[in-house]
Amino acid sequence: RKEVEQDPGPFNVPEGATVAFNCTYSNSASQSFFWYRQDCRKEPKLLMSVYSSGNEDGRFTAQLNRASQYISLLIRDSKLSDSATYLCVVNPGGYNKLIFGAGTRLAVHP
Amino acid sequence: GAGVSQSPRYKVAKRGQDVALRCDPISGHVSLFWYQQALGQGPEFLTYFQNEAQLDKSGLPSDRFFAERPEGSVSTLKIQRTQQEDSAVYLCASSSSRGYEETQYFGPGTRLLVL
Repeated sequence: RKEVEQDPGPFNVPEGATVAFNCTYSNSASQSFFWYRQDCRKEPKLLMSVYSSGNEDGRFTAQLNRASQYISLLIRDSKLSDSATYLCVVNPGGYNKLIFGAGTRLAVHP
Repeated sequence: GAGVSQSPRYKVAKRGQDVALRCDPISGHVSLFWYQQALGQGPEFLTYFQNEAQLDKSGLPSDRFFAERPEGSVSTLKIQRTQQEDSAVYLCASSSSRGYEETQYFGPGTRLLVL
């Protein structure tokens, strides 16, 4: 079983749609959690950190459920520019090694 | 300021050749990581340096892979006797400290194709 598992996608949605991505992780001792965005043939970039209390950044909302070992990302009012691969990322603790999921591809169409 | 840079950006090697991939982290960053990203997959951890010390090399797939950071800044990932399964994007990342909340900044990667 992979340490971080995500919906494989792809998700094809029209502009303005709301889309949700899910992710589970296997190491219950994991310390910190993130969503990264990766555009085609580019490096991953931090989208947002994820906290148990839930956090929001504009149209993006992330949620962590430690009991279920589940992480989510909600994107509201999708834009064409949101088209990318979204990587669920977990830090198991210690020195900041990151464990990535395989990513979920999102394609937003007009 | 300058971000993480990597060179070369693209490398084509014949099977059996040795390759060396370079990473220039953000100036002053203590922590440096190497990841390998196969097509359609997320990055996978290879190795970690804190300054010049290689504290974790558990992700290196075989003894053909070797990394160094002799002066605590620039790092080189070397792959000896390359195989086709080594074809991937090799990403370098750095962060300002070793804390697990620190943001890692990624370089653009080196795309390695082994023929």
